[in-house]
Amino acid sequence: EAQVTQNPRYLITVTGKKLTVTCSQNMNHEYMSWYRQDPGLGLRQIYYSMNVEVTDKGDVPEGYKVSRKEKRNFPLILESPSPNQTSLYFCASRILAGGYNEQFFGPGTRLTVL
Amino acid sequence: KNEVEQSPQNLTAQEGEFITINCSYSVGISALHWLQQHPGGGIVSLFMLSSGKKKHGRLIATINIQEKHSSLHITASHPRDSAVYICAAPQLEEVGGNEKLTFGTGTRLTIIP
Repeated sequence: EAQVTQNPRYLITVTGKKLTVTCSQNMNHEYMSWYRQDPGLGLRQIYYSMNVEVTDKGDVPEGYKVSRKEKRNFPLILESPSPNQTSLYFCASRILAGGYNEQFFGPGTRLTVL
Repeated sequence: KNEVEQSPQNLTAQEGEFITINCSYSVGISALHWLQQHPGGGIVSLFMLSSGKKKHGRLIATINIQEKHSSLHITASHPRDSAVYICAAPQLEEVGGNEKLTFGTGTRLTIIP
């Protein structure tokens, strides 16, 4: 089954404790992206990757890091989480050829930073 | 930057009613996405359309590229249609070549039995 998986699905942590949210897709997609969703603001892009070892900042990259060592995986790293990073996070993937192709979303990770 | 606006923000209707959700965007595009976010949070793609109309079951999406407007219609609405519906417009960034989506804030639909 074609899918994007994320782990963990729910996480409660404390300020400053490094964490990683994993994302994996099995569709051989070149393009992967991380979004955060906050009430009233819609989905906003954090980072994206157009292929292995090619990553770049989206609209709200502060406080986040990513890596793309393999095509299927695109982990999101919070080196020192803060309460303003409490949010619902989605990983997504698609083929590279344009935003005019279907984007597949992971199930979401609900993060709370105390 | 493309601004994407949806209306209404919230919509409550009785089962069986015809539903219309609207989406307007500020920058000309050649396609638009409609997404559905389930109460549990998961997001699925419903439609991607570049002109005219698309139909999938009781869902119909229309787009008018010249007027920069799209609508999502649900016929014979059912409580299981209760979800947040999100439209998204793709835009090619001049620097870096990122073809990213700009999302509306969503319409929360509740269908009462």
